[in-house]
Amino acid sequence: ETGVTQTPRHLVMGMTNKKSLKCEQHLGHNAMYWYKQSAKKPLELMFVYNFKEQTENNSVPSRFSPECPNSSHLFLHLHTLQPEDSALYLCASSQPLDRVETEAFFGQGTRLTVV
Amino acid sequence: SQQGEEDPQALSIQEGENATMNCSYKTSINNLQWYRQNSGRGLVHLILIRSNEREKHSGRLRVTLDTSKKSSSLLITASRAADTASYFCATPSSKTSYDKVIFGPGTSLSVIP
Repeated sequence: ETGVTQTPRHLVMGMTNKKSLKCEQHLGHNAMYWYKQSAKKPLELMFVYNFKEQTENNSVPSRFSPECPNSSHLFLHLHTLQPEDSALYLCASSQPLDRVETEAFFGQGTRLTVV
Repeated sequence: SQQGEEDPQALSIQEGENATMNCSYKTSINNLQWYRQNSGRGLVHLILIRSNEREKHSGRLRVTLDTSKKSSSLLITASRAADTASYFCATPSSKTSYDKVIFGPGTSLSVIP
């Protein structure tokens, strides 16, 4: 256990559905991240939140909508996804961004399949 | 273009042998990290090496950093079947902020019992 919990672990959704991924960390961190990992591709950073403020949106399509209500919780709201959005979505947390010598703690990921 | 890139992409060894993976990066950094990922699961941090360090050890792991060549290596000694996983190097693209840490594509290690 890394102290970062993601739910659900697996999700199958149709292209017209709306669903949300949840991430919760119990490490007292103030930075949280969403990553996308597709087959045979490097890990892609999607969003970064530092002290609940979004600091990075890495050109992610608007069908992905993040929400960070507090430093312990991070959501990724999904709507009208495409089959190519099928991937492993990983949440991570770390110390605040100004601490460059820090490590990220990852959740186990949500395996998303869009049909 | 990627900041960090691991080499080889895939490595298969016998249990008990040593495994060496390399990472090359493009811009100057103040630290480099290695992570491990078991199939379909989250990444686990293994080790961080600072730019003023040349070598660091953690158990059976040995990491080296050559800033002049912009490269790092991860050595796993006396490998075990449980070491089978993908290994990633991660480098911050900023010296002042962690938010743009970039992961390489990874090396897939298979340790055959």
